[in-house]
Amino acid sequence: DAGITQSPRHKVTETGTPVTLRCHQTENHRYMYWYRQDPGHGLRLIHYSYGVKDTDKGEVSDGYSVSRSKTEDFLLTLESATSSQTSVYFCAISESGTDYEQYFGPGTRLTVT
Amino acid sequence: AQSVAQPEDQVNVAEGNPLTVKCTYSVSGNPYLFWYVQYPNRGLQFLLKYITGDNLVKGSYGFEAEFNKSQTSFHLKKPSALVSDSALYFCAASYKLSFGAGTTVTVRA
Repeated sequence: DAGITQSPRHKVTETGTPVTLRCHQTENHRYMYWYRQDPGHGLRLIHYSYGVKDTDKGEVSDGYSVSRSKTEDFLLTLESATSSQTSVYFCAISESGTDYEQYFGPGTRLTVT
Repeated sequence: AQSVAQPEDQVNVAEGNPLTVKCTYSVSGNPYLFWYVQYPNRGLQFLLKYITGDNLVKGSYGFEAEFNKSQTSFHLKKPSALVSDSALYFCAASYKLSFGAGTTVTVRA
């Protein structure tokens, strides 16, 4: 398995609180991605990064921000969590570009009450 | 409009029978196409991808996929399914990193 960890693995938080999810990789891959998985929607891209401090928006970026200060870490922040952001969040990495296969972390289950 | 579609929410087959999971795409150009599998409470695992060339792509665990440009399809196949193949399968395209909604495969013993 690719060396990808996500923390926390489970989190319950209240509406309006800020939340940060962390993705850490040991593969030195350039690209990193954040997805959310919801029943009936598959995976939807939130944000991705193509290098340190280089990020771009995905399909469902509203309400989320990201940061990448080191190659190995990619943070996803919910500035003010809402119930609609209850989901399972997956981090993924790819060696070089979106044309390459991605390797996924184990996921973070977030519940916003 | 969704770039990648998986028309079947569920596929049920008996062990030993052929397994097919359907995927169609609606993107322009020549996208790279992928199949991933997700086992319960796990992240997705890469199975195979189509870039160019041979329309039949072989991947992990005995899976293969057939690319058909005229039908804009990329169906996943396995000649003889195993109970352990029961999982959630996703088709994806490099265009906008689009994923299908997923197909749950159940292989009964």
